[in-house]
Amino acid sequence: AQSVTQPDIHITVSEGASLELRCNYSYGATPYLFWYVQSPGQGLQLLLKYFSGDTLVQGIKGFEAEFKRSQSSFNLRKPSVHWSDAAEYFCAVGINTGTASKLTFGTGTRLQVTL
Amino acid sequence: DTEVTQTPKHLVMGMTNKKSLKCEQHMGHRAMYWYKQKAKKPPELMFVYSYEKLSINESVPSRFSPECPNSSLLNLHLHALQPEDSALYLCASSQRDRESPSGANVLTFGAGSRLTVL
Repeated sequence: AQSVTQPDIHITVSEGASLELRCNYSYGATPYLFWYVQSPGQGLQLLLKYFSGDTLVQGIKGFEAEFKRSQSSFNLRKPSVHWSDAAEYFCAVGINTGTASKLTFGTGTRLQVTL
Repeated sequence: DTEVTQTPKHLVMGMTNKKSLKCEQHMGHRAMYWYKQKAKKPPELMFVYSYEKLSINESVPSRFSPECPNSSLLNLHLHALQPEDSALYLCASSQRDRESPSGANVLTFGAGSRLTVL
């Protein structure tokens, strides 16, 4: 069965500093990988996705992620964090189930941004 | 329209009440989902509908009853809930992503319905 580990429960960075959120996955085949962001009391917004091909993927809001098969990782990065980036970040692995997909989420990383 | 709309945003109900959560999308997506999210936890899959038919039930108690009246609507009927069922209920829809050579789906989530069971 697939699984996702986000080792950092809570991260605090200063506004303008760089950010890296870690994600490790376990899946037998080539995974479909996603990063979602959730503001308090809100739904989940897709930041970026990886299916195959170029291992560095660009997303919205200036985020990028790099797929490293050898390390089973899909870490999220941003060169300069803004105060509005404070939120909960979820990494997820997806598997196809016919015409739908099952997402398994990591436990999330809460990002706090200090001014 | 690129949104998934959920109503109500907040719901408070007693353990003997019957209520429903509603979800609507007009993106032409043929798969729709219910997820449950407890505080400070990740979302957990409850149900998947594909082409209006229930395709996955993650062993959810029968006090939760999903319904997909048509390809745009998804309901979750609630009856005899327990206080531990209090959570954020998220609806999502999906379609195959054109960038995926093997047809991976990308889920679009609604803002959720916050349920409190007294």
